[in-house]
Amino acid sequence: QVQLVQSGAEVKKPGASVKVSCKASGYTFTSYYMHWVRQAPGQGLEWMGIINPSGGSTSYAQKFQGRVTMTRDTSTSTVYMELSSLRSEDTAVYYCARAPGGGSGNTIYYMDVWGKGTTVTVSS
Amino acid sequence: QSVLTQPPSVSGAPGQRVTISCTGSSSNIGAGYDVHWYQQLPGTAPKLLIYGNSNRPSGVPDRFSGSKSGTSASLAITGLQAEDEADYYCQSYDSSLKGVFGGGTKLTVL
Repeated sequence: QVQLVQSGAEVKKPGASVKVSCKASGYTFTSYYMHWVRQAPGQGLEWMGIINPSGGSTSYAQKFQGRVTMTRDTSTSTVYMELSSLRSEDTAVYYCARAPGGGSGNTIYYMDVWGKGTTVTVSS
Repeated sequence: QSVLTQPPSVSGAPGQRVTISCTGSSSNIGAGYDVHWYQQLPGTAPKLLIYGNSNRPSGVPDRFSGSKSGTSASLAITGLQAEDEADYYCQSYDSSLKGVFGGGTKLTVL
């Protein structure tokens, strides 16, 4: 079955970087874009960006431009999200979520399978 | 401040029908982009509930339905059950901001 397995919880100091991984299985990795979405404690969902695992192209939310980098490793079917210059407001659960296959443009901007999330805590 | 506006909370008794609204603008829902809905049970990851305005993924009961008109969309839940108590989020595409979510609506089953 389709599964997205994320890396474990992280605790980071302000100013540091964090890299979260998301290993996909049960489908053809390079055929489906992958989104990253975060959720601060008690807050709503926030879209961060999307990566095409086939060619590695990315599109980031304006808010995170310059601070986020999404990459992929096709040999291990894993996508990564690295967020730098961490501040306390970045404390959140970070989710990877697969985009539906077979589409392009705006039609891939929703999520049909989600990982369980990775908690990132930023604290001095 | 979310780009898509949802009521913070709704409630209903078991068996009743509730609706959750999602209001956008001319750069997202009003531009013709699809609306999708997610259900998030306490302590779990979101789950796709409705895609493409009104389509249900397999396994989602037909008690859940979605609609869209103009710059708004709605999620309706009929025959409310205790297990429906969750947070619900609408989501769409915005021509400037790309992926956008509503602020979420907490459904309480009385």
